[in-house]
Parts: sequence; structure tokens; C-alpha cells
Amino acid sequence: QQQVKQSPQSLIVQKGGISIINCAYENTAFDYFPWYQQFPGKGPALLIAIRPDVSEKKEGRFTISFNKSAKQFSLHIMDSQPGDSATYFCAACRRRFSGGYNKLIFGAGTRLAVHP
Amino acid sequence: DTGVSQNPRHKITKRGQNVTFRCDPISEHNRLYWYRQTLGQGPEFLTYFQNEAQLEKSRLLSDRFSAERPKGSFSTLEIQRTEQGDSAMYLCASSPRGYGVGQETQYFGPGTRLLVL
Repeated sequence: QQQVKQSPQSLIVQKGGISIINCAYENTAFDYFPWYQQFPGKGPALLIAIRPDVSEKKEGRFTISFNKSAKQFSLHIMDSQPGDSATYFCAACRRRFSGGYNKLIFGAGTRLAVHP
Repeated sequence: DTGVSQNPRHKITKRGQNVTFRCDPISEHNRLYWYRQTLGQGPEFLTYFQNEAQLEKSRLLSDRFSAERPKGSFSTLEIQRTEQGDSAMYLCASSPRGYGVGQETQYFGPGTRLLVL
């Protein structure tokens, strides 16, 4: 079930540039949208997350923009660095009625390469 | 507290053999998830535990797969009669108890990479 669509599959950016990765979701019940960063041979690590009651969240060089009506959200990496070269996954999930959160539904990932 | 740990990190087995993986979540995290990740894809959900109770299983989890969390701490994932299609990275994640902001975060372990020959 492809409930979260992510694009592009791969992205090449020059050092200092802006990296932009987009995701679209289908299930309007989703209410938590994290971005994960994964380096080769490692597990995914939470980068930044947003809830649908805000349209933007910024943490350092990383910003999530959220468009609830379009059911889209995106990750912007400002001043991209070679150390940012990794695979990025968007995800979505929804709160359980009994409390806590359900499973994460991941996008297919974007392989980012930042060239010096 | 050193995060979620998984063992072994790598496993090579022959088709038809049984394998078992272990996950140790962050201490006091009562929620534990198993995911499977194939090359070039995002992780896919397999199963979810809250304490020792297995509350959800994916249709991906065939009868050959079984997961346990006997005392609500560590968890095991067993695959019986492995097939080449089982080759993947098996990821474990945990999240804290409670329902407030920040308690939705899932922390992932380094994964166990399985290769079935």
C-alpha cells in the first residue's frame, strides 16, 4: 500500500545549495509526519517532525513545510554539506484511539549526494 | 542508555534454515516495532508490541514469521524455513510510554542484515 509518495528518488546538490525533497500522502487521518535520515549500514535516525496544526517547522538548517489541504509536505536542507549525503525518508502515522501512535508508513526514500 | 540494540548485525543462512534476531529497546520504552527494509526501499511495518502484548501484525508477516516480547523488555523475531525473498534488513524501533508530545518518536536500532543463500 503506497500511502506516502516521495520524490525525487535521487538528488545531487552542490555544497551550500538547498536540497528539497517532497512527499504526498493519502490518508487524512495521519497526524504526525517525521523525516528520517539514514546512512549506509545504519538504522534510520529522526531528523525533524511536524504535526498538521502548523505549516512550517525549522530546526537549524532543516525545515519542514506542510500543506494540509494539498496533503503534501517537504523537507528543505539549507546550506547543504557533504556530510548531509544520505538517504532521507518521509513518513506518516496516526494516533491510536487507545493512546500512543501507530506504525510509521514510509516513503521510498531519496538518496541525496552533496558535492563539494 | 545507549539506544536500541540489535543482534546479530549480520546473518547469512541457507534457504530452509531458521533464524532468530534479538532487539533490546531503550530502557523503559514500552512500545516496540519491527520493520523490514529491502534495498532501495523505505522500511515496511511488520509488527508492534505494547509491553508484552502483540497488538498488530502486518500481512507481510507470514506464518513463517513469529515475534515475541515475553517480559515486555527485549523482543525476538524468528523466521522459519527461510526463503531467498526474506533477504532484507530487519529493523527494530522503540518509543516511550505515554501519550504526550515527543512520545510518538520511534528510535531505530542499527538493524540485522539477513542474506539467505
